[in-house]
Amino acid sequence: SYVLTQPPSVSVAPGQTATITCGGSNIGTKGVHWYQQRPGQAPVVVVHDDNDRPSGIPERLSGSKSGNTATLTISRVEAGDEADYYCQVWDTSSDHAVFGGGTKLTVL
Amino acid sequence: QVQLVESGGGVVQPGTSLRLSCAASGFTFGSKGMHWVRQAPGKGLEWVAVISYNGVNKYYRDSVKGRFTISRDNTKNTLFLQMNSLKTEDTAVYYCVKDPSTLIRFFDYWGQGTLVTVSS
Repeated sequence: SYVLTQPPSVSVAPGQTATITCGGSNIGTKGVHWYQQRPGQAPVVVVHDDNDRPSGIPERLSGSKSGNTATLTISRVEAGDEADYYCQVWDTSSDHAVFGGGTKLTVL
Repeated sequence: QVQLVESGGGVVQPGTSLRLSCAASGFTFGSKGMHWVRQAPGKGLEWVAVISYNGVNKYYRDSVKGRFTISRDNTKNTLFLQMNSLKTEDTAVYYCVKDPSTLIRFFDYWGQGTLVTVSS
């Protein structure tokens, strides 16, 4: 089955840039989507189709892809960005949606 | 605005059944794919099943195939998940999730979830 690999945790000081990676075989051929889940809340999509932001999501959050890795970049990190972040793709070979294991972003 | 309200969760014993419902509003329910996604306590997100806008196409994760059935009633704007032969590992918050397409694209709106606890 298809696997997406994320680092369990990332820490960054306020005002700095956070980078969260998501690795997967042939991920370049798949649309990658990113979700933010704050404690006690339902997830919210922050980037879809690799690098599109829904309305209301700040430009500080952006997505990119290179080789077998997709990346969510959060610039000028704020305390409110502290959350779990998940990447997700649709695996057409199994007709399954697949999530990465999630990355906990800590703002120091 | 889009609203998704789940109900039907609770505490049940292994081997029993439960039916979850999701009342949708604020969009044309009958034109969008719908999913169930779950999250075990303290764990990550896990996709469970998807149903196409017209109910014809359905896909399930392997661990629930044959036990869970996703369905919808477009006349009542309601999504269902019938869960049979429940196992302790099915314990999770179950989210009703909307897709922006007719079947599968990504998850653009989430409900607040309903907790299912399977325990003896």
